[in-house]
Amino acid sequence: AQSVAQPEDQVNVAEGNPLTVKCTYSVSGNPYLFWYVQYPNRGLQFLLKYITGDNLVKGSYGFEAEFNKSQTSFHLKKPSALVSDSALYFCSMIKAAGNKLTFGGGTRVLVKP
Amino acid sequence: SAVISQKPSRDICQRGTSLTIQCQVDSQVTMMFWYRQQPGQSLTLIATANQGSEATYESGFVIDKFPISRPNLTFSTLTVSNMSPEDSSIYLCSVEQGAETQYFGPGTRLLVL
Repeated sequence: AQSVAQPEDQVNVAEGNPLTVKCTYSVSGNPYLFWYVQYPNRGLQFLLKYITGDNLVKGSYGFEAEFNKSQTSFHLKKPSALVSDSALYFCSMIKAAGNKLTFGGGTRVLVKP
Repeated sequence: SAVISQKPSRDICQRGTSLTIQCQVDSQVTMMFWYRQQPGQSLTLIATANQGSEATYESGFVIDKFPISRPNLTFSTLTVSNMSPEDSSIYLCSVEQGAETQYFGPGTRLLVL
């Protein structure tokens, strides 16, 4: 069975410091991987995705993520966090084209001034 | 990406009643999805709604409780029937656009008393 894990319920970081949100996956074959962000009282916003090709993908708001097949990870990163990055972040996966999107449990990011 | 709206944005309902949630997209899409996000939790897929066919429900969700309509390529409704407090959640619709990527509406926040 396929699954997505976000091992940290919450990540605290000072503004200006690097931000990393961890994600690991379990699936047979090559997955499609996604990151979404949910701001308070808002829906989910698409940040970035990995389908194939370059392992480092860049997305919205200065975020990037690196696909690591050997470690089955897809960690989200931002070099310098902003207070406005405080939100709930979801990693998700599709096993193959046409299959349903599976979400991780979410990681709450708190960026302190 | 598609612009997705949902109505109502929030509601407070009495147990035993039903609520119909509307999802409108600004472009024609083949696949629409309905998710539930219970308080403090991740997203769970309720069903996939394709125009011209019956919705496909995930394990644990049934048509009698969550009837779905998909009358055209830009619109869908989800009804939460015979509500109980356990149905208090955020309900989100999403559409697929481009390489398996889903874009989400702002969500409907439902509180059942």
